[in-house]
Amino acid sequence: KQEVTQIPAALSVPEGENLVLNCSFTDSAIYNLQWFRQDPGKGLTSLLLIQSSQREQTSGRLNASLDKSSGRSTLYIAASQPGDSATYLCAVTSGTYKYIFGTGTRLKVLA
Amino acid sequence: DAGVTQSPTHLIKTRGQQVTLRCSPKSGHDTVSWYQQALGQGPQFIFQYYEEEERQRGNFPDRFSGHQFPNYSSELNVNALLLGDSALYLCASSWGQGNTEAFFGQGTRLTVV
Repeated sequence: KQEVTQIPAALSVPEGENLVLNCSFTDSAIYNLQWFRQDPGKGLTSLLLIQSSQREQTSGRLNASLDKSSGRSTLYIAASQPGDSATYLCAVTSGTYKYIFGTGTRLKVLA
Repeated sequence: DAGVTQSPTHLIKTRGQQVTLRCSPKSGHDTVSWYQQALGQGPQFIFQYYEEEERQRGNFPDRFSGHQFPNYSSELNVNALLLGDSALYLCASSWGQGNTEAFFGQGTRLTVV
């Protein structure tokens, strides 16, 4: 059974810091890994999608990497801003079509 | 493109009542999935509809049922509401049978009192 874990559960950093969020999964037979952002009480905004054949994806200040063999992904946020404060969720898909989510990392960037 | 739209945005119901949540998929998408997100948790898969049939179901009781219409929109019905059903319900749409990227709506916040 696929399980997704995110560490840390919460993170507070001063503005301008570079930071890394971690995601691990137990079954390496995945199709995609996706990072989402969720603002309080809101839906999910897709940040980056990494297909199983890819090693990383980049969008602006965000970079996500994928290591299937070790069951790990990292989301790197460069030069953090207060507007980056949100919960970041990692999810994987496999042959069953559904997303399996971690419990998220709550990020607070202090001005 | 309006993206995935869900209605209503908020809802308050009493224990034992029934509720219907609605979802319109992103233009061009034919698959709709529903997720339940309790406070402080990641979303949990409820079920997925494709070609008007339930293709896959998560670990949820039969009180949770759904429907997909010919225009690909979908409804989630929950009967005999429990306090524990209070959550954010998210709809996601995608295209086809493969593991294509899903797009999520803004959710419906259900509070059961």
